Amino acid sequence: GNSVTQMEGPVTLSEEAFLTINCTYTATGYPSLFWYVQYPGEGLQLLLKATKADDKGSNKGFEATYRKETTSFHLEKGSVQVSDSAVYFCALTKTSGSRLTFGEGTQLTVNP
Amino acid sequence: GAGVSQTPSNKVTEKGKYVELRCDPISGHTALYWYRQSLGQGPEFLIYFQGTGAADDSGLPNDRFFAVRPEGSVSTLKIQRTERGDSAVYLCASSSQVPSAGELFFGEGSRLTVL
Repeated sequence: GNSVTQMEGPVTLSEEAFLTINCTYTATGYPSLFWYVQYPGEGLQLLLKATKADDKGSNKGFEATYRKETTSFHLEKGSVQVSDSAVYFCALTKTSGSRLTFGEGTQLTVNP
Repeated sequence: GAGVSQTPSNKVTEKGKYVELRCDPISGHTALYWYRQSLGQGPEFLIYFQGTGAADDSGLPNDRFFAVRPEGSVSTLKIQRTERGDSAVYLCASSSQVPSAGELFFGEGSRLTVL
């Protein structure tokens, strides 16, 4: 079946540091890939997505590239801010499917 | 406009009791999803509605769990004979696009604690 594996957390960084959160997936066919973010006290919200191989999703300074050869969708940001502190979830859905399969989430804390 | 609204935000109940959790999706969204999130885990799919009908209920863990969406808008997740293992945050999401690649809009969740 489909599955998503994220790097273990929590991750603690200083402001302006470089961020990478690793995500790899297992799926049949050609899934669409997503990063969702959950800020404290808020619901999950879509951060970025990519629907086919080599696509790059980007939003709010975050980027992730759909790598079919390595079945990965790593999240990166060049300079994190305190306001980026949140839990980040990698997820996938099959092209013909309706459900999202989520990873376990990675807690990010950015200190000033 | 308003986002996805879930009530109650917190529910504490005793083992064996019946619980209802309500979800009010974004107006006009035809797709509605229920997920369950245990502590330290990612959300786990339970059921998906397209309009009034359950298009995929394969994530419901057993027959104690049931969900309805009688008018294609508000949905209620019903849990009978609650068990301590049912304790989790129950998330509702809605979407205007199906299948896949569409953005899901999540509510803040209903935290259920079974004592």
